[in-house]
Amino acid sequence: KAGVTQTPRYLIKTRGQQVTLSCSPISGHRSVSWYQQTPGQGLQFLFEYFSETQRNKGNFPGRFSGRQFSNSRSEMNVSTLELGDSALYLCASSGGTTSGSGTQYFGPGTRLLVL
Amino acid sequence: QKEVEQNSGPLSVPEGAIASLNCTYSDRGSQSFFWYRQYSGKSPELIMSIYSNGDKEDGRFTAQLNKASQYVSLLIRDSQPSDSATYLCAVNPMDSSYKLIFGSGTRLLVRP
Repeated sequence: KAGVTQTPRYLIKTRGQQVTLSCSPISGHRSVSWYQQTPGQGLQFLFEYFSETQRNKGNFPGRFSGRQFSNSRSEMNVSTLELGDSALYLCASSGGTTSGSGTQYFGPGTRLLVL
Repeated sequence: QKEVEQNSGPLSVPEGAIASLNCTYSDRGSQSFFWYRQYSGKSPELIMSIYSNGDKEDGRFTAQLNKASQYVSLLIRDSQPSDSATYLCAVNPMDSSYKLIFGSGTRLLVRP
């Protein structure tokens, strides 16, 4: 079974721009979660989607948004980029149920650098 | 108090030794616990999940859970230099089974 794929793998943007990251979960998985990883803050939860619905959102500003499509693929968008948004953005895929996300498997990540 | 706490390390052990990695969590109602391994520049890779008190073994890895003490650990037997990585403890909090709360990770160094 193919794993979680994320595109692009690397991005360089400038302050004020916006960016869209994409994630394709493991085939058959319906839950997609997004995390931000930085050296200072570690791994932090952004949001989780299941069957096109956002079920939980972390403590991030509204500039961070996401969506999920009917094929379970997900995108996250960051608008008005700030220097502090430079991070590794990780997507995690899980089977998911109505009561939880289940065991999460991570994709390779997208490394975003904001200049 | 951080929700999930780990000693940042580095924890240095000789090849062939047992490495013991520890994690405490603050949410007493947490139900699911996970250990991930992350090599430098790579994404986290799932090693073990544990849901019930006691031990769970998988190859050279043993996860131990004590919900009364709010403590979860990972033992790595016969440590190899290839085990050198950062080990992340993750917990599903009671108020949401849709997200993982991660510790800051423990860096393990296995000396040849």
